[in-house]
Amino acid sequence: QQQVKQSPQSLIVQKGGISIINCAYENTAFDYFPWYQQFPGKGPALLIAIRPDVSEKKEGRFTISFNKSAKQFSLHIMDSQPGDSATYFCAASRPGAQKLVFGQGTRLTINP
Amino acid sequence: NAGVMQNPRHLVRRRGQEARLRCSPMKGHSHVYWYRQLPEEGLKFMVYLQKENIIDESGMPKERFSAEFPKEGPSILRIQQVVRGDSAAYFCASSAGVGQETQYFGPGTRLLVL
Repeated sequence: QQQVKQSPQSLIVQKGGISIINCAYENTAFDYFPWYQQFPGKGPALLIAIRPDVSEKKEGRFTISFNKSAKQFSLHIMDSQPGDSATYFCAASRPGAQKLVFGQGTRLTINP
Repeated sequence: NAGVMQNPRHLVRRRGQEARLRCSPMKGHSHVYWYRQLPEEGLKFMVYLQKENIIDESGMPKERFSAEFPKEGPSILRIQQVVRGDSAAYFCASSAGVGQETQYFGPGTRLLVL
């Protein structure tokens, strides 16, 4: 019930392409879904977050798509750049619970 | 506005020693969270604290691990009698409070147990 499953584990995309990372959750009580970006040796940094009352949120080249009925959400990185190469984590939390439940991570490599 | 600060960044301990990890939250933040990241894995929640209170310690191992967030000073995650399986990156995050879900992470402390 507390799991968040993330796929793929690793992803290679050509420069300029679209990177897509998917997450699925089980607990319908989750109401906050952030994505974090982590570079080697660094802490995770918040990229973008969404709540279930909207189906899509866009910030620059990053878009979250949310499907409440399927209990799935995904991160789309448009015009992917070598500087986007990092590990990406989806996460979820319940109202008032505060703690984040993280997916397993996706290692993204953008080839120049 | 300084971000979340953690020290030390790297810590080496021998089996049986104590490890003490420190976290100073962002200015104005009174909620602190500790997460552990094993190699090639996601982050796992350990404990959530507010000043002088432990709110949720459901992710903390029952033995050897403890955490505090005193009225003055940083939050401390203490691991007693470390074992090799404790080797991991430990991240601290902070948020502004209830209703402010955004958690900002520190750079982490990489603990290596020899």
